[in-house]
Amino acid sequence: TQLLEQSPQFLSIQEGENLTVYCNSSSVFSSLQWYRQEPGEGPVLLVTVVTGGEVKKLKRLTFQFGDARKDSSLHITAAQPGDTGLYLCAGPGGSGNTGKLIFGQGTTLQVKP
Amino acid sequence: NAGVMQNPRHLVRRRGQEARLRCSPMKGHSHVYWYRQLPEEGLKFMVYLQKENIIDESGMPKERFSAEFPKEGPSILRIQQVVRGDSAAYFCASSGTGHKSGELFFGEGSRLTVL
Repeated sequence: TQLLEQSPQFLSIQEGENLTVYCNSSSVFSSLQWYRQEPGEGPVLLVTVVTGGEVKKLKRLTFQFGDARKDSSLHITAAQPGDTGLYLCAGPGGSGNTGKLIFGQGTTLQVKP
Repeated sequence: NAGVMQNPRHLVRRRGQEARLRCSPMKGHSHVYWYRQLPEEGLKFMVYLQKENIIDESGMPKERFSAEFPKEGPSILRIQQVVRGDSAAYFCASSGTGHKSGELFFGEGSRLTVL
């Protein structure tokens, strides 16, 4: 069974601090995605990483896919209150139908002004 | 440029009643997925449908739950004889036939509360 474990589960920091969120699995994934979800809303895709070792940047967010394609990290530099939300990693589940995703349990980030 | 539309956004039902949740995919999308999210948890896959076909229902409970995506109209997730444990947010996502690397577009969800 493919599982994605995220850590930490909760993170509360001050504006301007840096943080890293981790997504780990014992299984190899062909790709991993990161979503952000705000309260009362649906998840919104931030990035897809496909190649082992790949690094992608989205403004102050840096995403990395592990060399073995079993883990990923999200690093936020100089966090802002607008970064507050639930961050979810997800990967394709099983059959190759990449629309069936396995999600981690999420990391709830709170950035205090 | 409508995204994935779900309704109702909030639904309250008493135990034993039926809940019907609707999802209209993005224009041009023919693949629909339903996910369930319990409080403080990630999303769990329930079912994948294309027009008039259920492709994968491996995440759907065997009893009381059903889904359809008719030729015309929205996809519907139906929960019969609801119980308190069905209280959750139900999200629909859609993708096009040429979707890259599983890029899904999610609706805002339907939040079901069972009293």
